[in-house]
Amino acid sequence: QKEVEQNSGPLSVPEGAIASLNCTYSDRGSQSFFWYRQYSGKSPELIMSIYSNGDKEDGRFTAQLNKASQYVSLLIRDSQPSDSATYLCAVNDPSNSGYALNFGKGTSLLVTP
Amino acid sequence: DGGITQSPKYLFRKEGQNVTLSCEQNLNHDAMYWYRQDPGQGLRLIYYSQIVNDFQKGDIAEGYSVSREKKESFPLTVTSAQKNPTAFYLCASSTLGTGLETQYFGPGTRLLVL
Repeated sequence: QKEVEQNSGPLSVPEGAIASLNCTYSDRGSQSFFWYRQYSGKSPELIMSIYSNGDKEDGRFTAQLNKASQYVSLLIRDSQPSDSATYLCAVNDPSNSGYALNFGKGTSLLVTP
Repeated sequence: DGGITQSPKYLFRKEGQNVTLSCEQNLNHDAMYWYRQDPGQGLRLIYYSQIVNDFQKGDIAEGYSVSREKKESFPLTVTSAQKNPTAFYLCASSTLGTGLETQYFGPGTRLLVL
């Protein structure tokens, strides 16, 4: 069974703090990893993609990938109330032509003023 | 503006009725996908298509059907065989190539059963 696991939360952090979101996956053949943000009632929007081990930074967001540990994380620096949303981790599925994605259930983040 | 459109935003289905959800993209993407999201759950793949006139079943295809007659369009029909259709339906698209392509989502259709 292909699995993408995330802590459902809610994760509560004060405004200005660092939020750390974690994700583990079961398929060692996966090669592409994505973080999507989903506001309540809306569709997911891409935050970050990462394909190689290490860190990738984009503004206040940093994605970290460790393929040996099958672990991917998202750090949000200087968290803002507008960052309050559900964050979905997605991993490509090599058995489904490689293009389909397996999603975790998401981590709910609440940034308090 | 380039993007993915889905219609309608809300759809109500009566018992025994088939309903069709529309998905159109003008991003010139080859691949298109349908996902279903239930409350508090992640997205689950229903069907996907990499080329016109071809599509593959995802993890939960039973009770659903699709067509891909045009590159821009990938409609999803929820048939009467789908006994629990109430969910948020999301269409996505991507380019094709290395398998590392990003999927972009439409705004979604919320299906409710009367």
